[in-house]
Amino acid sequence: DAGVTQSPTHLIKTRGQHVTLRCSPISGHKSVSWYQQVLGQGPQFIFQYYEKEERGRGNFPDRFSARQFPNYSSELNVNALLLGDSALYLCASSLGLAGSYEQYFGPGTRLTVT
Amino acid sequence: AQSVTQLGSHVSVSEGALVLLRCNYSSSVPPYLFWYVQYPNQGLQLLLKYTSAATLVKGINGFEAEFKKSETSFHLTKPSAHMSDAAEYFCAVSSNSGGGADGLTFGKGTHLIIQP
Repeated sequence: DAGVTQSPTHLIKTRGQHVTLRCSPISGHKSVSWYQQVLGQGPQFIFQYYEKEERGRGNFPDRFSARQFPNYSSELNVNALLLGDSALYLCASSLGLAGSYEQYFGPGTRLTVT
Repeated sequence: AQSVTQLGSHVSVSEGALVLLRCNYSSSVPPYLFWYVQYPNQGLQLLLKYTSAATLVKGINGFEAEFKKSETSFHLTKPSAHMSDAAEYFCAVSSNSGGGADGLTFGKGTHLIIQP
């Protein structure tokens, strides 16, 4: 069975630009979460979507937004990129909202902002 | 609010020796606790989880962890280290407070080094 997939794998952007990252969850999973992992740190929660609605949001500025589509895939958008947005962006899917449900992670998208 | 503290950013053990990675959590409600492993340039793989059933949890690759409520700890152990265990390990906590909408809270990670 296919796991969580993310695209692209790597991305280089310039300060001030906009970026869109994509995630396809495991088949049958209705929840998608996004995390930012800065080098040398643990992942930080950005968003959780369930049944196409935003259900949770971490401490990130409004430059970060996301959406979930009817097929449960998801996009993460970041506007007005800053150097500090350089990180590995991880997508995770689960059957239900995070809690007792296991979250399965994709390989991530490595974003470099120059 | 919930938080995770992983003691020791780097842990070095000899091949065949006991592995002990420490994790303490803070949560205002009964927590769910997880250990994940991350190999270089990869995503996170779930090793094991505690969800209020047995306090001693067995996971993949010979790892296990014990939930100790009185110590607010969830330390990860493996009796005999293997070279392939070298990786970054993350402890994480979540709860059903708010319906589980707030995702996982991760520690900063512990880099496990295996000496031949």
